[in-house]
Amino acid sequence: NAGVMQNPRHLVRRRGQEARLRCSPMKGHSHVYWYRQLPEEGLKFMVYLQKENIIDESGMPKERFSAEFPKEGPSILRIQQVVRGDSAAYFCASSRTLAGFSTDTQYFGPGTRLTVL
Amino acid sequence: QQQVKQSPQSLIVQKGGIPIINCAYENTAFDYFPWYQQFPGKGPALLIAIRPDVSEKKEGRFTISFNKSAKQFSLHIMDSQPGDSATYFCAALRTGETSGSRLTFGEGTQLTVNP
Repeated sequence: NAGVMQNPRHLVRRRGQEARLRCSPMKGHSHVYWYRQLPEEGLKFMVYLQKENIIDESGMPKERFSAEFPKEGPSILRIQQVVRGDSAAYFCASSRTLAGFSTDTQYFGPGTRLTVL
Repeated sequence: QQQVKQSPQSLIVQKGGIPIINCAYENTAFDYFPWYQQFPGKGPALLIAIRPDVSEKKEGRFTISFNKSAKQFSLHIMDSQPGDSATYFCAALRTGETSGSRLTFGEGTQLTVNP
């Protein structure tokens, strides 16, 4: 009965490198959300995906950031040419579709803490 | 635009006290209000949630009070324990619409319960 899994838990990159963050949703969940938490701040929505579809990416920076949730495998959040301001904790959450009940409870993973040197 | 405002930023109580954390929202389309608890180095964990058709919900020592007309809701922790020391986030969600599935979080309250 595994929860949402994220890896790596900690990631260190130098400026200009690429960061790839992975998220495996809970079993039976087909909705994935990515949130970013800057130090001493709350969580901010980035992107919402379903299998092979980006549903809402309005919270994601237009440049350098991309996300995917392929038919097979985990969801990937990719940050190209990282800068120091990208240093944050990135959390993935997942939910399932509840037929006839509108509430979508989102369950969070342990996060990936990205440090950009 | 900060759509969910949370206060206080930090809170210190003695064991057995009843800390109260308040949140106010702006978007009347929100219809689901969860609270999350986060320990250092961990992800947020769902604590309790409420929908606006009820004014109060209790689960164990945790109670949400909801005031729809004032667009405010609060978390009360009864008989608080040192193990409750964590950061608490309120959030709001507009369900039923694809574009509304994002959680909008408050800024968080760092709670410390002294022994």
